Amino acid sequence: KAGVTQTPRYLIKTRGQQVTLSCSPISGHRSVSWYQQTPGQGLQFLFEYFSETQRNKGNFPGRFSGRQFSNSRSEMNVSTLELGDSALYLCASSLLTGSYEQYFGPGTRLTVT
Amino acid sequence: DAKTTQPPSMDCAEGRAANLPCNHSTISGNEYVYWYRQIHSQGPQYIIHGLKNNETNEMASLIITEDRKSSTLILPHATLRDTAVYYCIVSATDKLIFGTGTRLQVFP
Repeated sequence: KAGVTQTPRYLIKTRGQQVTLSCSPISGHRSVSWYQQTPGQGLQFLFEYFSETQRNKGNFPGRFSGRQFSNSRSEMNVSTLELGDSALYLCASSLLTGSYEQYFGPGTRLTVT
Repeated sequence: DAKTTQPPSMDCAEGRAANLPCNHSTISGNEYVYWYRQIHSQGPQYIIHGLKNNETNEMASLIITEDRKSSTLILPHATLRDTAVYYCIVSATDKLIFGTGTRLQVFP
């Protein structure tokens, strides 16, 4: 069974631009969560989607948004990029919402210049 | 904020058991203890979880004290590939709150 895939793996953007990251969960998994990882703040929860609905949200500004499609694939969008948004963005999938047996993808490394 | 306390780093000789402690003195009755690890440049990997009984799977064993205020993750025969940051998480809600974890270095 294929694991969680994330595209692109690396991205360089300029301040003020917007970016969209994509995540394909493990087949059959319906919950997708997003995390941001930086050296200073560590791993921080962004949001979780289940059955195309946002079920939970972390403490991030409204510039960070996401959505989930009917095939469980998910995208996250960051608008008006800031230098501090440079991070590794990780996606994790699980069979059901509330399940912490989550399977993480390799991440997308975003650099904002 | 993370509700667990872990030592920042530990060393372990290859082939020996690695015992990683975690304190979670404010754990609630409905909260589970989860362990994940993150090998450099990869996404975190689920290891094991438990509520109050000890648990074992093909990767590790989880020992939870009777009062549930602390736990220990045991890797029975550590290998160099077990070098990683290990995160202990307690949660009953829909999100994982990662702390700073323990950096385990396995040496030959």
